[in-house]
Order: sequence, then structure tokens, then C-alpha cells
Amino acid sequence: ETGVTQTPRHLVMGMTNKKSLKCEQHLGHNAMYWYKQSAKKPLELMFVYSLEERVENNSVPSRFSPECPNSSHLFLHLHTLQPEDSALYLCASSQGLGGDTDTQYFGPGTRLTVL
Amino acid sequence: DAKTTQPPSMDCAEGRAANLPCNHSTISGNEYVYWYRQIHSQGPQYIIHGLKNNETNEMASLIITEDRKSSTLILPHATLRDTAVYYCIVRVRGGGISNFGNEKLTFGTGTRLTIIP
Repeated sequence: ETGVTQTPRHLVMGMTNKKSLKCEQHLGHNAMYWYKQSAKKPLELMFVYSLEERVENNSVPSRFSPECPNSSHLFLHLHTLQPEDSALYLCASSQGLGGDTDTQYFGPGTRLTVL
Repeated sequence: DAKTTQPPSMDCAEGRAANLPCNHSTISGNEYVYWYRQIHSQGPQYIIHGLKNNETNEMASLIITEDRKSSTLILPHATLRDTAVYYCIVRVRGGGISNFGNEKLTFGTGTRLTIIP
């Protein structure tokens, strides 16, 4: 176990549904990340939070909305998704963003299927 | 970030040492070598990283050549649970403030390691 948990592990949703993915880290880290991994594309970094502040990434569609209420929890709110959004969504955390602190530890992922 | 080249697949007998090579001939002086692995449909697992010195931890050893253009990940006594895709990554470490390019981990196609009973 890496100390990063994600729920649910599997999610099937329709294009009109609203759902949320949850990530929790038990490592005392200050930075958290959302990645998307699909068969067609390599690992894609979506969002980064450091001390609960978000680093903007304009390339992520607005139907994905992250939330970081504290340094241990990270959410990804989903609405009006498309079938091409089906993928493995990975959460990671690191102690910080610099020097010896930026090694990222991943959770098990949420396998999302959009029908 | 520099590109890496890894063999697409390797087999190793259970109990033997698994040696996974990685070429990174265009690595810059400030880029580190990281290794992750991913078991099917699970999250990537951090293994080890280094800059220029050889490194060892409880999971593996990392041998980096003197010119830093290649490295080898060594799993000393492979078990069936080591069957996974292994990714070699080179990246600049974060500077302490947010820099989206530095945080991004770029996985290539990796090496699919199969441990044979």
C-alpha cells in the first residue's frame, strides 16, 4: 500500500450524470495530483495542488472540476462527460514540489466508464 | 524532459536477478532518472530514483553509467509479484514552486517484465 487511497475503484456513469472521485493520502504530504491514463494516450497530468492551492491547467475541459478542501483530500467532480473520457484516473501525492520532496506516490486509480 | 528507450518486453526466472535497461542519451545535467512500475490496471508504484550515483533501497538497485546516458534497474531476487510494466523516466526536479512542466511525469511505453515460475 502506498498510503494513497481512491474511491470508488470502478465507476460507470451516463453522459448526463454528476459524480465525484475521491482521493485521500495518509502520508502527510502537501501536494496532490490528478492524472488521466487511457489506452490511447500516455499519462496525462490534469491538476496539481500544493498546500491546497491549485496550479491552473487550461487544457483540461471544464467538465472536470477539482477540489482540495485540505492537504489530505482531493476530489474530482465530473459532469456531462463524454465516452472518450473513459479512462483510469489516478491520484498521486508528494511531500512538496521541490528538491527531494517531489517524488510522487500514486493511488490505485478509479476505472471510469462513460456510457 | 529527455526521452528514454526501453526494450518492450523481458522475461526473468523467479528467484533470479532481473536487470532492466534504459537508454537516455540526451539527458541533461539537472535531470534525474526515476523508475516506476505498474501492474495491470493499478496505479504506478514508485521504485527508485537517482542523479549520478548508484542507489539502492529495499525494492531495487539503480545503476547509472558514468556518462549518465543509460541506467539499469536491478530487482535482486525476482518474484511473481514483480511481473509488471516498468517505466524509466528522466525529469527535472521541481524548484519548490509550481511549474506545471516539472510536476508532469511522462511515461513512455516501458518494459513489460514477466517473471517465469
